[in-house]
Amino acid sequence: GAVVSQHPSRVICKSGTSVKIECRSLDFQATTMFWYRQFPKQSLMLMATSNEGSKATYEQGVEKDKFLINHASLTLSTLTVTSAHPEDSSFYICSASPGSTNEKLFFGSGTQLSVL
Amino acid sequence: DQQVKQNSPSLSVQEGRISILNCDYTNSMFDYFLWYKKYPAEGPTFLISISSIKDKNEDGRFTVFLNKSAKHLSLHIVPSQPGDSAVYFCAASLGGGADGLTFGKGTHLIIQP
Repeated sequence: GAVVSQHPSRVICKSGTSVKIECRSLDFQATTMFWYRQFPKQSLMLMATSNEGSKATYEQGVEKDKFLINHASLTLSTLTVTSAHPEDSSFYICSASPGSTNEKLFFGSGTQLSVL
Repeated sequence: DQQVKQNSPSLSVQEGRISILNCDYTNSMFDYFLWYKKYPAEGPTFLISISSIKDKNEDGRFTVFLNKSAKHLSLHIVPSQPGDSAVYFCAASLGGGADGLTFGKGTHLIIQP
């Protein structure tokens, strides 16, 4: 089946540094990828929709200057958490679809970010 | 404001019995609902879905029921197997296209031998 690869799986960084998370669709092309964030004991929350070749669409309350999304190719989207702070510590997960339905939405394994 | 609610953080069921996971939603505009299963250290995987024009969808041991008037859906697993132990997320979308989903907090299902 389709695979979405996400790296790194875990990252620990100092406050003020930037962290880049990669999301790759390994065997299909995805014009759209989604980035979610999950705080402990909370639900997965959609942060933004990444569109290949155009600007990402951010959900209300998500700072686009802090969470930079680049979808430079049909198989790669990156999320950069700029000047990370402890409150950005969370589980970040991407998803992508080779088709046009949510049934074909495949998720990466997620990235646990811890900002000290 | 939580638009999709899974009020049971965990559920323990004996192997062979029926597991029933519940989900409520508040946004009446949602018209497509999905269940995802998640094992530790893995991303969620699609399990089963239902369109709002239906009230039941069945796939093997898994059945999803939708009660639109109550804004409630449930996932039935029968018979429950040890490999079903996982976190189950209920999700909703506006239409069945590949859009961003609104998730519940998940229910950790534990199947006891």
